[in-house]
Amino acid sequence: GENVEQHPSTLSVQEGDSAVIKCTYSDSASNYFPWYKQELGKRPQLIIDIRSNVGEKKDQRIAVTLNKTAKHFSLHITETQPEDSAVYFCAAPLLEYGNKLVFGAGTILRVKS
Amino acid sequence: SAVISQKPSRDICQRGTSLTIQCQVDSQVTMMFWYRQQPGQSLTLIATANQGSEATYESGFVIDKFPISRPNLTFSTLTVSNMSPEDSSIYLCSAATGLNTEAFFGQGTRLTVV
Repeated sequence: GENVEQHPSTLSVQEGDSAVIKCTYSDSASNYFPWYKQELGKRPQLIIDIRSNVGEKKDQRIAVTLNKTAKHFSLHITETQPEDSAVYFCAAPLLEYGNKLVFGAGTILRVKS
Repeated sequence: SAVISQKPSRDICQRGTSLTIQCQVDSQVTMMFWYRQQPGQSLTLIATANQGSEATYESGFVIDKFPISRPNLTFSTLTVSNMSPEDSSIYLCSAATGLNTEAFFGQGTRLTVV
């Protein structure tokens, strides 16, 4: 979605290193920010989400940070493992789409062992 | 959570024909959506399937090409009409209990038009 920009498009890390993916959004009223993981040939699945009333949320090796002022949010994966290799999508609800989720372009994460 | 069953999982169709994709959710959900995903690309919202009324289409998608039904809260269909090779893509249904809540996805339908 052109109103949700995601970087980088590809990311290669060594097993055990950290990975960070960043998204920016255009609508200051957006208040829900999910991250989805899609393995090859499979459906997207939610891995973590954050609402605008908090700045950070963590679930084991995965964390999401939100900067509402700057309108960006980031996915952090620590101690990466080969099974983290997948495509990751951020999303945000945008008013011009009736507050429906608009997805970023995706990031291909490769964890090298 | 919601479990979504989508079928068919894949099909190869002749140009000019139509294909109907079905999506069944195991629980009542408020919202159902249809997305298109080109290989290696992001998810593009086609339309919101509204129960008991006409679907709401996003820019670039029209009802004549992608008619959608939603007869009840747990079932929806998307038809890809008068197909051309440009319609080859993965089509995904999605469901959520409301806006700003987790969206669940079907396993997708990989459509190839020859």
